[in-house]
This record gives sequence, C-alpha cells and structure tokens, in this order.
Amino acid sequence: DVQLTQSPSSLSASVGDSVTITCRASETIRTYFNWYQQKPGKAPKLLIYAASSLQTGVPSRFSGSGSETHFTLAINSLQPEDFATYYCQQTYSTPYTFGQGTKLDIK
Amino acid sequence: QLQLQESGPGLVKPSETLSLTCTVSGGSISSSSSYWDWIRQSPGKGLEWIANIYYSGSTYLNPSLQSRVTISVDTSKNQFSLKLTSVTAADTAVYYCARSAGFSMRRGLYFGLDVWGQGTTVAVSS
Repeated sequence: DVQLTQSPSSLSASVGDSVTITCRASETIRTYFNWYQQKPGKAPKLLIYAASSLQTGVPSRFSGSGSETHFTLAINSLQPEDFATYYCQQTYSTPYTFGQGTKLDIK
Repeated sequence: QLQLQESGPGLVKPSETLSLTCTVSGGSISSSSSYWDWIRQSPGKGLEWIANIYYSGSTYLNPSLQSRVTISVDTSKNQFSLKLTSVTAADTAVYYCARSAGFSMRRGLYFGLDVWGQGTTVAVSS
C-alpha cells in the first residue's frame, strides 16, 4: 500500500495567516492525489484533485502543488471557516489511502 | 443536486454481518464517469478506504478487508451496498458512502470523492 505522511499533525494559526501542509508518499504517485477538508461531525469535502486542480466552488485561497512523492496544500489569508482537519489521499493505486490528517486550529 | 444517504443498523453484534446501503438521489448511479465508494473513519485508524464499485458491477476492494467485504450495486434502485462479515470491535466506525467522480484531464483521468453521504455510525458490541 502507498503510505501517506502528513506534516505537521497539528497547526495553530490566526485569521489572515497563510499556512502550508505537506504530504509525502512512500512511492511515486504522479499527480493522482487529492486534498480534503473535514469539520467536526461532517463528511470530508474535496478541495483539490489531481494535485493542483481546484474543485468547483472551493475558494481560490486554497491551492495545491506537487507531484511524484511530495505534495503541498497552501491556504492564503485564513478565514474563520478554514479551521478544520485536512487530509490527503492518493488514487494512483488501490487500496486508495489517506494521510493521518492535519488539524488546523485557531491560535 | 446529487445526494447520497447511508442506511443500516447502528449496532451490530461481534461475529455478525454489518450491512449498509447507500441511496443515490438527484442523479444516476449508472453514470459512466463515476465509481461508488465506501470509506470508514475511526479514531484509531483515521480515514480508511474500503471498496468501490462501477455501475457495471466491477469492483475494487481493500486487501486488508477483502476476505470479509462484499460490495454490490442495484441500478434499478439507484443504490449500492456494503456487507462486512465477522465484525469485531475494530470495525466500529463512522461509515461513509461517496461518489468517486472522474475528472478527465489532458494528462489523464483522475478520481476524487466529490459527493459524500452524511455518514452513519456503526458500533460493534454485544
């Protein structure tokens, strides 16, 4: 299975800050890679697919980059609604796997 | 718009079979560009992809669960289902159904879970 390791596991920031979350894959997955946002008690929400494509309706302050084994999610000018847990996922090979999550909370 | 809704028992006894159904509304399960997935989330293991199915019946299963999992589709009812046999406490989780949408791009076909059900909590306990 492809292992995905996110860093950091948790992150504190303030409204207006910019943050970056990293996900590393245990083997190359080209750009078969997604980012999700999850709020407590809710299902995950797709933010980014194919490593860098913004899902319809997702604000442009979210951006994704990377390929092969190293990927990043950047959030510019954090808004109150952005404080949540973020997960990465690979769809290069089954079983599709997720990272362990990065919890972003308010400083 | 497309909506998914999980249904099934919230409590299952150890060694018994967990059965869940996902009803798709606002769209057809027979979409040529979609797979239909089951994912679960437990505090101990985070998000775990279980399996997916195409409307034709083609399936992909997580090898870690493969011996216990059956996924099926009923296009006439616009539903797909999950069965997990011989459950233990380790199967206690929130179970989600989701659509794996295919995004056709110049560099290939990419999939992302773009529509999710609200999730259903399943506890395994006697």
